[in-house]
Formats: sequence, structure tokens, C-alpha cells
Amino acid sequence: AQTVTQSQPEMSVQEAETVTLSCTYDTSESDYYLFWYKQPPSRQMILVIRQEAYKQQNATENRFSVNFQKAAKSFSLKISDSQLGDAAMYFCAYTRGSGEKLTFGTGTRLTIIP
Amino acid sequence: GAVVSQHPSRVICKSGTSVKIECRSLDFQATTMFWYRQFPKQSLMLMATSNEGSKATYEQGVEKDKFLINHASLTLSTLTVTSAHPEDSSFYICSAVQGSGYGYTFGSGTRLTVV
Repeated sequence: AQTVTQSQPEMSVQEAETVTLSCTYDTSESDYYLFWYKQPPSRQMILVIRQEAYKQQNATENRFSVNFQKAAKSFSLKISDSQLGDAAMYFCAYTRGSGEKLTFGTGTRLTIIP
Repeated sequence: GAVVSQHPSRVICKSGTSVKIECRSLDFQATTMFWYRQFPKQSLMLMATSNEGSKATYEQGVEKDKFLINHASLTLSTLTVTSAHPEDSSFYICSAVQGSGYGYTFGSGTRLTVV
């Protein structure tokens, strides 16, 4: 069974600094999709970034970028120029096929220090 | 963008009663909908996957008779918690997918409190 592990229950970063959230996963599939979701206090799940395993290039979305290491089954999220609005729970998620069920990690609570 | 409406956002019910939660895709047809449960400060745990017109597929350990899922149309899925008990109190979230190649759209969640 696929598993997703986030080893950092909590992280904090100074405003305007850079922070990296870790995620590892286990799968026997060669093609799959990985996601980072943000859940603010409102509890609405918001997609931050998505990576297709067949793509070697790391995904980027403005201040958010990933370091996808397929062989190591690692998928970390880097947030640059951290802003107060980035404070939230961040969940790493895996699916073996687009449209199939998502498996979530345990989450990392990110605090932004003004 | 794709929008999923989930209602109610909060509900309080008495122990032993049933409560229905609705999940609607407003601007797309959802071939598949997922129902998750989230305890405080924990991750999302998948309860079941529902496809329009067919029976839901429940995850191991989820009671089918307690958590009834109906996906009667391509825009509506419902979760009914039957004979609710205080331990069913939780945050329930639905997610809809338009099809392969499309993203996942989440509802805003329902906080259920059973008293």
C-alpha cells in the first residue's frame, strides 16, 4: 500500500525567509502524481503545487517550488519569501492515477514569525 | 475554476439521529467523489469513493451501514451518518474529480457534533 510520510509535525520560519517542508512516500508504481495542499484555519483544502512523476523538471508556482527526487521517493516543498498568509497546515499527497484516490501525509504545521 | 459546494458547514445532532451531508459540483460533472474524515490536528482519512450510479467503495474499517453514501447524479453525492454517536463527531470533507487528467476540488467541509 502507498504511504506518505511527513517527518516534521511543526515548522516555523521568519517572514520573508525560505522554508522547506519534507515529504517521502512509498510506492511500487512508476507513474503517479504528487501534490502539496495547504489547509488554513478555515480548513478549506487549497492546492499549492502538483508534480507528475514522469516529468523530470521540478514544478514551480510563484514562490512555491518542489524538489522531486524520484529514486529517493522524496518530494519536498520550498516556500520562498514566506508571508504571514502562508501560515497553515501543509499536507503532502500521492495518487497513482489522475482522478484516483489521494493518500495524505500526516501534515506539517507551518508558523510564520513576523 | 471548478467549485464544490458542501452543506451544511456545521451541524449539531442528538445521539441516535441521522444527519445528511451534501456535496455538489457546481460547474462540472464529477465522475468520482471522495469522502474524508478529519479529526482535530490530524490528516484526512479517506472513508469511501463514490462513482455516479454505482455503489460506493469503502475503505477498510469504515462501517458501510453507518456511513451511507449515495452518488445519484454527476453533480451530487451525499453522506448520511446513521444513528449518530458522539464518537462520530468530526470534520467531514468531500472532494470531486471531473475525470482523468483533471484536478481534485474540495468542499469546504462539515463540522459534525453529536450530543
